[in-house]
Amino acid sequence: AQSVTQPDIHITVSEGASLELRCNYSYGATPYLFWYVQSPGQGLQLLLKYFSGDTLVQGIKGFEAEFKRSQSSFNLRKPSVHWSDAAEYFCAVRDNYGGSQGNLIFGKGTKLSVKP
Amino acid sequence: EAGVTQFPSHSVIEKGQTVTLRCDPISGHDNLYWYRRVMGKEIKFLLHFVKESKQDESGMPNNRFLAERTGGTYSTLKVQPAELEDSGVYFCASSRIAGGETQYFGPGTRLLVL
Repeated sequence: AQSVTQPDIHITVSEGASLELRCNYSYGATPYLFWYVQSPGQGLQLLLKYFSGDTLVQGIKGFEAEFKRSQSSFNLRKPSVHWSDAAEYFCAVRDNYGGSQGNLIFGKGTKLSVKP
Repeated sequence: EAGVTQFPSHSVIEKGQTVTLRCDPISGHDNLYWYRRVMGKEIKFLLHFVKESKQDESGMPNNRFLAERTGGTYSTLKVQPAELEDSGVYFCASSRIAGGETQYFGPGTRLLVL
């Protein structure tokens, strides 16, 4: 079965510092990968997605992610974190097995805190 | 264009009571998904509608949960009778096309069963 692992439950970074959130997936073929963000009191917002092509994907709010097949990873990065980036981040893969038609499999999420 | 909306935003009920959650997808989106996040766990898939038809309900936990989407527009998810372990955040998402198309999520309904 497919799965997504986000090894870091909680990360704290200083404002202006760089950020990398880790995501590993298990899937035999080329996966469809997503990063979503949930700010306090808000719903899930799509940051970026990877389906095929260029393995470095640009998203909204200055985020990017790189698909590395050899490492089964899709880590999210941002060069300089802003206080407004404090939120919970979810990595997800599209379920392609069985009768599934596109439902997502999520990691447990990583909470990001930003220090002034 | 309005996003996915969910009602209510919060619900606190006692064990054994019934609760009905509602989701209004983005207009024109045939695909509607329900997900749930129990505290401390992953967001997990519950079921998928294509228009008014249940395409995949493999994630529904048990027969206390009933989802409907009459007319292929909004959807309801009823829990009857509610148990303590049903507490969590229930998300709804919609997409125009199943599969690779982006799913747009609503803000979720936070359900607490006491």
